[in-house]
Amino acid sequence: QVQLEESGGGVVQPGGSLRLTCAASGFTFSSYAIHWVRQAPGKGLEWVAVISYDGYHKFYADSVKDRFSISRDNSKNTLYLQMNSLQPEDTALYYCARKHVPGIVPASCDYWGQGTHVTVSS
Amino acid sequence: AIQLTQSPSSLSASVGDRVIISCRASQGVSSALAWYQQKPGKPPNLLIYDASNLESGVPSRFSGSGSGTDFTLTISSLQPEDFATYYCQQFKSYPSTFGGGTKVEIE
Repeated sequence: QVQLEESGGGVVQPGGSLRLTCAASGFTFSSYAIHWVRQAPGKGLEWVAVISYDGYHKFYADSVKDRFSISRDNSKNTLYLQMNSLQPEDTALYYCARKHVPGIVPASCDYWGQGTHVTVSS
Repeated sequence: AIQLTQSPSSLSASVGDRVIISCRASQGVSSALAWYQQKPGKPPNLLIYDASNLESGVPSRFSGSGSGTDFTLTISSLQPEDFATYYCQQFKSYPSTFGGGTKVEIE
């Protein structure tokens, strides 16, 4: 079955960095775009970034552009989110989610991981 | 970025009620809209994709409609397991965006 498992979260000071990992299994990882979505405590969902199935196309939310970088290693079925210059407003539960259909056309997300917590605090 | 406005932000309803949630986009998104259900402590669950298509395994009491800028999620007969928060998401263009959510509570 399709599984996504995030890791790498933790507590970091403002201005610090963190790298999140999303390990995928149960499907052909190299055929699907993958998203990062976050949720601050008690708040709604915020889309963060997406990477195409082949890693060539990447898009970011304005709030993280120039600070976060999404990447993937299809040989390891793994997605990454490098987060730099972290601020308290980046505190959230970070989910990775698979695009509903393979290929290039944008679509919704059908499978989600359980999330990894990131806390930015001094 | 395209903004999505959901209404109401919360509602109280009883089991068996018909519930309608609205999602309005700041510009046209064609049919590139999805609806999710989220329960506390759990990741979102896809209900509707491409505005009106029911995701596999989702009960038929859920339905979606609309295109362009105005969309609705309808629960035809609310069940106890449907008390949750619902979100719309557009994927017409990046950055993708979510609505602010609608919390459905027990009356």
